[in-house]
Amino acid sequence: GNSVTQMEGPVTLSEEAFLTINCTYTATGYPSLFWYVQYPGEGLQLLLKATKADDKGSNKGFEATYRKETTSFHLEKGSVQVSDSAVYFCALSVPMDSNYQLIWGAGTKLIIKP
Amino acid sequence: DTGVSQDPRHKITKRGQNVTFRCDPISEHNRLYWYRQTLGQGPEFLTYFQNEAQLEKSRLLSDRFSAERPKGSFSTLEIQRTEQGDSAMYLCASSRPQGRGNTEAFFGQGTRLTVV
Repeated sequence: GNSVTQMEGPVTLSEEAFLTINCTYTATGYPSLFWYVQYPGEGLQLLLKATKADDKGSNKGFEATYRKETTSFHLEKGSVQVSDSAVYFCALSVPMDSNYQLIWGAGTKLIIKP
Repeated sequence: DTGVSQDPRHKITKRGQNVTFRCDPISEHNRLYWYRQTLGQGPEFLTYFQNEAQLEKSRLLSDRFSAERPKGSFSTLEIQRTEQGDSAMYLCASSRPQGRGNTEAFFGQGTRLTVV
């Protein structure tokens, strides 16, 4: 079936450190891949997306590359800030009946210390 | 503010009571989704509307749950005879089809339900 696996959190880093949050997936066909972020007390926001193999999504200094050969979509940022503290969700979109449905990872909590 | 709005933000109810939540999607979005999120988990799909038609319901949605979108605009999610296991964050999202599954879903801030 379709599934998303993310590294377990919390991930705790110091400000300006390099960030990697791993995400791997299992899917039939050619899914689109997403990273969503959930700041404390807020709803989910789309951070970046990639719709085909080798695409790179980027936003706010975050990047992720759609790797079909390793079925991965790891999130990276070169220098994190305290304001990046949030929960990050990896998701894929697959066709299901009349709709494209989002399949979610469990989320990775990121804590950035000043 | 033209984002997705949900009401109420928080609801505490006694076991056995009925509760109703409202979602107002972004006005030009014809698709509306309800999800449930428990602590430490990703969102779980509950149901989906395209305009006023409810096209898909998850097996998670027991017969105590009902959702409507009567005019293809706002939606309501009702839970009857609430149980403690219903305690969760209920998220609403809306989207506009953009082709091959790369549709961006816009989420509201959620309604946190606590059943005591």
